[in-house]
Amino acid sequence: DAKTTQPTSMDCAEGRAANLPCNHSTISGNEYVYWYRQIHSQGPQYIIHGLKNNETNEMASLIITEDRKSSTLILPHATLRDTAVYYCIVRVKQAGTALIFGKGTTLSVSS
Amino acid sequence: EAGVAQSPRYKIIEKRQSVAFWCNPISGHATLYWYQQILGQGPKLLIQFQNNGVVDDSQLPKDRFSAERLKGVDSTLKIQPAKLEDSAVYLCASSKPGQGENEQFFGPGTRLTVL
Repeated sequence: DAKTTQPTSMDCAEGRAANLPCNHSTISGNEYVYWYRQIHSQGPQYIIHGLKNNETNEMASLIITEDRKSSTLILPHATLRDTAVYYCIVRVKQAGTALIFGKGTTLSVSS
Repeated sequence: EAGVAQSPRYKIIEKRQSVAFWCNPISGHATLYWYQQILGQGPKLLIQFQNNGVVDDSQLPKDRFSAERLKGVDSTLKIQPAKLEDSAVYLCASSKPGQGENEQFFGPGTRLTVL
């Protein structure tokens, strides 16, 4: 079973920041937080991952609380193309480890 | 770099018929995964290969599902006979062992409808 809890849905206005929360209170010390997203009719796409420090890449920022029990994915300037289901996954950073998906958060970006 | 290829994209069959899906992973990716995604849910792992060997098939309904990756590259997933509850999107993904992020790359999926 998935070890994360996410809101079912969120709305965001185009151009504004989208902040997607995730709870993972039972995360182990060697588990990372990964985010994937799935645009309609496509396969999931990797976004970002982190252990305990905040991370940023060209797609998003990941903020992990100090106790590591929750995190937030931030899309700084959401566009219509960011409308998708966002999955928060905790897993060990080991080659060949499968992903355990929950139901994710459906983010709807509107103009 | 070419992505993960899957075919067909869509398939409609009657229950009790057989169906097969094909996946061509990214070149050089030794690990291949098949996931099943039922409408409204996240993908669920069915089987994982490392080269041509099975790493994990604990969630594969072996009475009707089978998968192979004979030469450690392409893979096929078969359902025989299909049931109504097999209606889902079947996703193939691949990853490269030793890659830092351990990122998995997904194909577009095959949408199966069983009538």
